[in-house]
Amino acid sequence: QSALTQPASVSGSPGQSITISCTGTSSDVGGYSYVSWFRQHPGEAPKLMIYDVFTRSSGVSTRFSGSKSGNTASLTISGLQAEDEADYYCSSYTSSSTYVFGSGTKVTVL
Amino acid sequence: QVQLVESGGGLVKPGGSLRLSCAASGFSFSDYYITWIRQAPGKGLEWVSYISSSGSPIYHAASVKGRFTISRDNAKNFVYLQMNSLRAEDTAVYYCARGRWFGDFDYWGQGTLVTVSS
Repeated sequence: QSALTQPASVSGSPGQSITISCTGTSSDVGGYSYVSWFRQHPGEAPKLMIYDVFTRSSGVSTRFSGSKSGNTASLTISGLQAEDEADYYCSSYTSSSTYVFGSGTKVTVL
Repeated sequence: QVQLVESGGGLVKPGGSLRLSCAASGFSFSDYYITWIRQAPGKGLEWVSYISSSGSPIYHAASVKGRFTISRDNAKNFVYLQMNSLRAEDTAVYYCARGRWFGDFDYWGQGTLVTVSS
């Protein structure tokens, strides 16, 4: 199972909106509405941000939103803040009853 | 509060074995599935294994199938990952995480480092 494709890096200024894409296949992202997004700060464990494509995890800011079209899922962060600077990973359930993660995207707040 | 604590990591030679443990507390353990996810140094996340709340079914990534086995003890609130025939490419921080629905890994442990090297 190959990793889902994410851009290596995305950047934006405080207050701006950015979008991270996550491209898979019909056997994972395109076939199921079970796409999740995780944020990981350096030296820390990942944190669940969104699951089921667009459902925010408990306590997650409404600035984070998810969507999906075909084989590509997206995470949008609006009103970018310094604390949003981190690595972001998507994941998807697959037709093999397993999970696959994305390659990861480093978000930089300029 | 919800806690997941991994242990058992360390340095092992190629071809060797190691058993990781994940101790859970602060929630109804038998209501949740547990999954193992690893992260090689400086690299991204890789899903490894899954065990349902009851202990069956279990699933493993193709990269570890036949070498790793996941199990759980709901009486003791533990999940184990038995890792055999270890390779250099298995070197990573191994995290355990819980979930109730597809992909909602909402609590993670702090991770345990496994280093496979001669």
